[in-house]
Amino acid sequence: NAGVTQTPKFQVLKTGQSMTLQCAQDMNHNSMYWYRQDPGMGLRLIYYSASEGTTDKGEVPNGYNVSRLNKREFSLRLESAAPSQTSVYFCASRLSGVNEQFFGPGTRLTVL
Amino acid sequence: GESVGLHLPTLSVQEGDNSIINCAYSNSASDYFIWYKQESGKGPQFIIDIRSNMDKRQGQRVTVLLNKTVKHLSLQIAATQPGDSAVYFCAEKNPGNTGKLIFGQGTTLQVKP
Repeated sequence: NAGVTQTPKFQVLKTGQSMTLQCAQDMNHNSMYWYRQDPGMGLRLIYYSASEGTTDKGEVPNGYNVSRLNKREFSLRLESAAPSQTSVYFCASRLSGVNEQFFGPGTRLTVL
Repeated sequence: GESVGLHLPTLSVQEGDNSIINCAYSNSASDYFIWYKQESGKGPQFIIDIRSNMDKRQGQRVTVLLNKTVKHLSLQIAATQPGDSAVYFCAEKNPGNTGKLIFGQGTTLQVKP
């Protein structure tokens, strides 16, 4: 099992550009999550998908959109990137009935 | 709103000593707590968890203690090794089935040889 995979690993964008961060899990998990991590701070939830076909806002959803493409894949889209979105983005997944979330390796995004 | 905080941003210990990392939480309704370890450039990795109906849980070289009276959580690492150097996060979960976790800011553990 690869677990949770994320692409790309690194990305540099100019202000106003758009991009999609990809996340996939091969553990047959029901729930998936997108977090951002800024220096000196813990992880903050952007969006989550409790099950295939549903998505909900987390703590910091502004400037982002998500798509739960199927049970395996959950993507995060920045329509018009801003310097404030410079961060490390982590995707996580969880099996129903289990509280532990499994994290991917992260995407380091810089917006100039 | 609820928050999860850590008492110290950095903890420095000697190799072989025991480490204690503390965490305060504010939502008395939280029913589950978890500790993650994050090494540089990697995603968080599960260490140990505990449900709110427990006071203590032990794993391999790690113990989590939960004091609901003062809303305090601690992670104890026995015989700390250089490989334990990382940032440690606590997180809490509120009742419900969304599984959303609320993370603290993290404590950096530095192990001196």
